[in-house]
Amino acid sequence: AQSVAQPEDQVNVAEGNPLTVKCTYSVSGNPYLFWYVQYPNRGLQFLLKYITGDNLVKGSYGFEAEFNKSQTSFHLKKPSALVSDSALYFCAVRGPYGNNRLAFGKGNQVVVIP
Amino acid sequence: DAGVTQSPTHLIKTRGQQVTLRCSPKSGHDTVSWYQQALGQGPQFIFQYYEEEERQRGNFPDRFSGHQFPNYSSELNVNALLLGDSALYLCASSSDRGVHQPQHFGDGTRLSIL
Repeated sequence: AQSVAQPEDQVNVAEGNPLTVKCTYSVSGNPYLFWYVQYPNRGLQFLLKYITGDNLVKGSYGFEAEFNKSQTSFHLKKPSALVSDSALYFCAVRGPYGNNRLAFGKGNQVVVIP
Repeated sequence: DAGVTQSPTHLIKTRGQQVTLRCSPKSGHDTVSWYQQALGQGPQFIFQYYEEEERQRGNFPDRFSGHQFPNYSSELNVNALLLGDSALYLCASSSDRGVHQPQHFGDGTRLSIL
């Protein structure tokens, strides 16, 4: 069964500084990896995905993520954080074709300090 | 282009009651997945419907059941409600033809059990 670990509960960063949210995964076969963001009282909003190809994936709102197969990691990054980036971030992994369920981590609360 | 819509937004029930939650998928999507998100946790996969049948199921008891209609909309039913069923219930839709496309989420139904 696939699973995701997000080791930090909260990430605090000053506005304008780089932001990194960590994620490691476990899955049989090739991983399909996703990052979602959740604002208060809202559903999950898709940011980016890794399916195959380039290890550096670019997504919405200036976010990117780096896939590292040897470390089974898929860390989310943003070069310069904004106060509006303060939200809950979830990493998710989907199994191989035929297994469409998403397994989510527990989430990371990101707080960007003005 | 309407995204995923869920109703109702909030619901309060008492232990032992039954509840039905509704979801309309994003236009062009034919697959609906349901997730339970307890407070402070990541979403947990309940089940997925495609072609009006349950295609996959997570580790949830039989009290949780669902249905998909010919127009692809879906219902989640929970019987004999327990206090532990209090959570945000998220519906996500996707296209079976777009295997690598992300699931799109609604804003959820907040279910409170008294």
